[in-house]
Amino acid sequence: EAGVAQSPRYKIIEKRQSVAFWCNPISGHATLYWYQQILGQGPKLLIQFQNNGVVDDSQLPKDRFSAERLKGVDSTLKIQPAKLEDSAVYLCASSLSGGAVGEQFFGPGTRLTVL
Amino acid sequence: SQQGEEDPQALSIQEGENATMNCSYKTSINNLQWYRQNSGRGLVHLILIRSNEREKHSGRLRVTLDTSKKSSSLLITASRAADTASYFCATDAKGQNFVFGPGTRLSVLP
Repeated sequence: EAGVAQSPRYKIIEKRQSVAFWCNPISGHATLYWYQQILGQGPKLLIQFQNNGVVDDSQLPKDRFSAERLKGVDSTLKIQPAKLEDSAVYLCASSLSGGAVGEQFFGPGTRLTVL
Repeated sequence: SQQGEEDPQALSIQEGENATMNCSYKTSINNLQWYRQNSGRGLVHLILIRSNEREKHSGRLRVTLDTSKKSSSLLITASRAADTASYFCATDAKGQNFVFGPGTRLSVLP
C-alpha cells in the first residue's frame, strides 16, 4: 500500500515570497490533515478536510495560509506571503474516516526555511 | 498547560531497560493516541486507546488510560537502540480539534 506522498521535501524562500505544498493521501482515505511542526514541538493541526469539505480550520492563519482539496483527493497548502516564523516542517496525514479521529498516516513532510 | 502534555520532556535509558512516559490532558476525550517520530521513519502511529478502555498492548508497548485522572502512560519494555525517538500523545477531545503534546525525547543507549 502506497503511503502519503508530499512534495517538495525541502523548500527555502525569502520572507514575503509565496510557497505551495502538495499532498496525495492514501487511496480511499476520506480525511486529510495538514499540520505545522516547529522544531522541538509537537505537530499543530492547521486544517482538516473530510472529502473535499473543511471540518476544522480554526488554527489556520487565514490572512496568509490557504488550503484546498479538489475532488476530495489531492490537497495543496499555500502560504502567501511567508514570514520568518513560518519556518517549520509541514506534515500531511490521512485517515480512513472522520468522526472520532482514528489512526492517522503521515507523509514525510516538507521542511520550509524562510530567510 | 496544553491539552496533551508528556512527562518527562527527555529520558535516557540503557538498552534492555523499560521506559515509561506519561501524558496528561485537560478535557474529556473520545480517544488518546501515541505516536513515535524519528528521522528515519517520520511520524508513526503506535496505539489508539478509547475513552472506555483502560489498557492496551501492542508487542513491547503497553498503554494505560485513567480517565478519572485524565492521564495516560506508555511503557516500552526491553528497550532497543531503535526505540530512540520522540514520543507524542495526541488527544481527540470532545468539541476540540486534534491536539499533540510537545513530546518526550527518548534516548536508548547501547
